[in-house]
Amino acid sequence: GQQLNQSPQSMFIQEGEDVSMNCTSSSIFNTWLWYKQDPGEGPVLLIALYKAGELTSNGRLTAQFGITRKDSFLNISASIPSDVGIYFCAGQGGNNDMRFGAGTRLTVKP
Amino acid sequence: NAGVTQTPKFQVLKTGQSMTLQCAQDMNHEYMSWYRQDPGMGLRLIHYSVGAGITDQGEVPNGYNVSRSTTEDFPLRLLSAAPSQTSVYFCASTSRGPVYGELFFGEGSRLTVL
Repeated sequence: GQQLNQSPQSMFIQEGEDVSMNCTSSSIFNTWLWYKQDPGEGPVLLIALYKAGELTSNGRLTAQFGITRKDSFLNISASIPSDVGIYFCAGQGGNNDMRFGAGTRLTVKP
Repeated sequence: NAGVTQTPKFQVLKTGQSMTLQCAQDMNHEYMSWYRQDPGMGLRLIHYSVGAGITDQGEVPNGYNVSRSTTEDFPLRLLSAAPSQTSVYFCASTSRGPVYGELFFGEGSRLTVL
């Protein structure tokens, strides 16, 4: 099946630092999306990418759709305490299903 | 604006019992799906549907059944619950393609199987 490999699994950073996480796949994806999940809630969309090579920003967040369509990264600049949570990449594959990575758990120390 | 509604939010079952997790959306979305979330495993796709009358298996379909008789509803059935099905379950929906848009998630259903 289509597997999404997300890294790192967890990150512990100081407030103000930049963060980078990425996802790779052995299969081509048509869409890459990045979600954030707060405790006790469902994931919420941060950024959606629809074209290979696309670079999109949303405030302090920047994400790119890899040119090979097999990878994507998410950067968070100048992290703040409310950035704490689990970040997931997700992709729409050839079977028209949406698959998720295992998540990156982010901890921000004030 | 109800969005995606899941019930129940919490459920405790004994091994071998059956139950149905309900999911309803009021956004006229064609695509609906069920995920389970376990620590360190992320969200794993159980079953999905691209429209009424159409369902398909995801990554971890064993032990679960689904049906899609209407656009709005996508129930998930556990026919004979096992402890391995202890998890948090999320229903999600989106408008369909050809490229999918944002997946909208319900609040989750926490299931414990004893």
